[in-house]
Amino acid sequence: DIQMTQSPSTLSASVGDRVTITCRASQSISSWLAWYQQKPGKAPRLLIYKASSLEGGVPSRFSGSGSGTEFTLTISSLQPDDFATYYCQQYNSYVSTFGPGTKVDIK
Amino acid sequence: QVQLVQSGAEVKKPGASVKVSCKASAYTFSNYGITWVRQAPGQGLEWMGWISGYNANTNYAQKLQGRVTMTTDTSTSTAYMELRSLRSDDTAVYYCARGSMIKGAPLDYWGQGTLVTVSS
Repeated sequence: DIQMTQSPSTLSASVGDRVTITCRASQSISSWLAWYQQKPGKAPRLLIYKASSLEGGVPSRFSGSGSGTEFTLTISSLQPDDFATYYCQQYNSYVSTFGPGTKVDIK
Repeated sequence: QVQLVQSGAEVKKPGASVKVSCKASAYTFSNYGITWVRQAPGQGLEWMGWISGYNANTNYAQKLQGRVTMTTDTSTSTAYMELRSLRSDDTAVYYCARGSMIKGAPLDYWGQGTLVTVSS
């Protein structure tokens, strides 16, 4: 199975900061990568699919980039609603895997 | 609007089985797949498997092979996930999510989650 890693595991930031989270795959997954946001007690929410496509209704401060094995999620100006845990997911094959998550908390 | 509504919380003893349902509405069930994802307390997301809403083809995570079965009832647009030989480390919130038929993802709509507690 394809293994996913994320860095950092925790990120402390302030409102207005630019935030970047990295996700790496153990082998090439082309652009078959999604990003999700999860808040405590809630189901995950799709933010980005196919590495860089913004899901409808998601604020434009979220963006994704990368291909192959290295990907990034960027929040251009962190807002109070953005403090949450972020997961990447590869779906290169029908056996999918999630990254371990990155928690973004208040500095 | 698209909705996935899951069955209620369950408490099971070790060795028992649990079957969680996920009823879909407001979209053509056979045009998408359903993925099951679980999350143990305080832990990350774990992909469990995928089932086609069209022909019920499945793909399961290797670690769950032999213990998990995913099925669908197209007449009611409902997906089911059964997990057998439950252990304490199966305690988790179980989510169903709608995914593309082509790649099984991305997961654009999610159920509310079902807490399964395994305890003697």
